[in-house]
Amino acid sequence: KAGVTQTPRYLIKTRGQQVTLSCSPISGHRSVSWYQQTPGQGLQFLFEYFSETQRNKGNFPGRFSGRQFSNSRSEMNVSTLELGDSALYLCASSPYPGGEETQYFGPGTRLLVL
Amino acid sequence: SQQGEEDPQALSIQEGENATMNCSYKTSINNLQWYRQNSGRGLVHLILIRSNEREKHSGRLRVTLDTSKKSSSLLITASRAADTASYFCATGGYGQNFVFGPGTRLSVLP
Repeated sequence: KAGVTQTPRYLIKTRGQQVTLSCSPISGHRSVSWYQQTPGQGLQFLFEYFSETQRNKGNFPGRFSGRQFSNSRSEMNVSTLELGDSALYLCASSPYPGGEETQYFGPGTRLLVL
Repeated sequence: SQQGEEDPQALSIQEGENATMNCSYKTSINNLQWYRQNSGRGLVHLILIRSNEREKHSGRLRVTLDTSKKSSSLLITASRAADTASYFCATGGYGQNFVFGPGTRLSVLP
């Protein structure tokens, strides 16, 4: 099976812009989770989607949002970008929701906000 | 706040030596997983151990779990230069999202 894919791999934006990142899970996986990774804060959970419904949400401002489509592909959006949003954004897929099974990660999207 | 806390934060060893990393957590868990990350890339799943298991092996990896002490350890035997990476533990619970620790940076010197 193909692994988790994320697009784009690299992105440069300026403050105030918005960005949309995409994640395609492993075929058959219905859960997609998003994480932000920075040197200072480490890996932080953003949100999880299962069957097009958001199941869990981390402690991030409302500028961070996401959605999941009927084919399980997911997008996350960050509006009004700030310098501190520069990070590696990782998505992970799993057959089941919640923290009960292995999550498989994509290569990440590296976002730089100038 | 992070639930998992890895120890040490950084570790340097020679090729052929064993590397041991520890992870402590605070609340009840369903499972604990270890991941490897090479230089800012995606995370690679290494091993999952469930709360009713005490030890698990996979190749050169050995993971133990002590739920009474809320801790786990990852042992990599006969380390290779290719094992140089950051290692993260992640705790999972029923209906909860995974929580990752800050990671251990392992350097294996040739």
